[in-house]
Amino acid sequence: QSALTQPPSASGSLGQSVTISCTGTSSDVGGYNYVSWYQQYPGKAPKLMIYEVSKRPSGVPDRFSGSKSGNTASLTVSGLQADDEADYYCSSYGGTNNPYIFGTGTEVTVL
Amino acid sequence: EVQLVESGGGLVQPGESLRLSCAASGFTFRSYWMSWVRQAPGKGLEWVANIKDDGSAKHYVDSVKGRFTISRDNADNLLYLQMYSLRAEDTAVYYCAREASVSWDYWGQGALVTVSS
Repeated sequence: QSALTQPPSASGSLGQSVTISCTGTSSDVGGYNYVSWYQQYPGKAPKLMIYEVSKRPSGVPDRFSGSKSGNTASLTVSGLQADDEADYYCSSYGGTNNPYIFGTGTEVTVL
Repeated sequence: EVQLVESGGGLVQPGESLRLSCAASGFTFRSYWMSWVRQAPGKGLEWVANIKDDGSAKHYVDSVKGRFTISRDNADNLLYLQMYSLRAEDTAVYYCAREASVSWDYWGQGALVTVSS
């Protein structure tokens, strides 16, 4: 049950965009359209930002978008704002024997 | 308003047991799968276990199989995680979370479990 691979850090300037990758295998990310993304501030609970690869929950700004190609999913944050600075985690369904796998996490810095 | 409130965390010695509770409100608890997700200090998120809406199916991450038991009381809107034979590597903040569309749309504030002698 290895974690999905994310870059440890990513950064972008205010108003610009940043894209975070999440790489798995054909048994998880590549095999199902069940990738979700979470934003987490230090000491706080995670917040759902994207589910089913590209769907946004109510209340999440459309600056956040998700996509997938093969075994790699991506989260793009456009029009970066100061409060986008947080840790971001991806997660994927991995089948009945390995239901959920998280990514290693990416710390986003807004310059 | 959906609320999930964990309780029962604390400091225990290796080999001891602990039970976490999660009180749910603001939604029809019996209609949702529920999960426990943990986060070791300074580390990433790790899914621990989940349970079907009616309690008839349960799944666990390999590292806790045989040591942790997830359960629920749909009459009182409570989710539990009974933890046995605790190890230092189980030290983490444990979150209860509601499942929806193969993701977690609501999370509790977390309960800290520290396993140390």
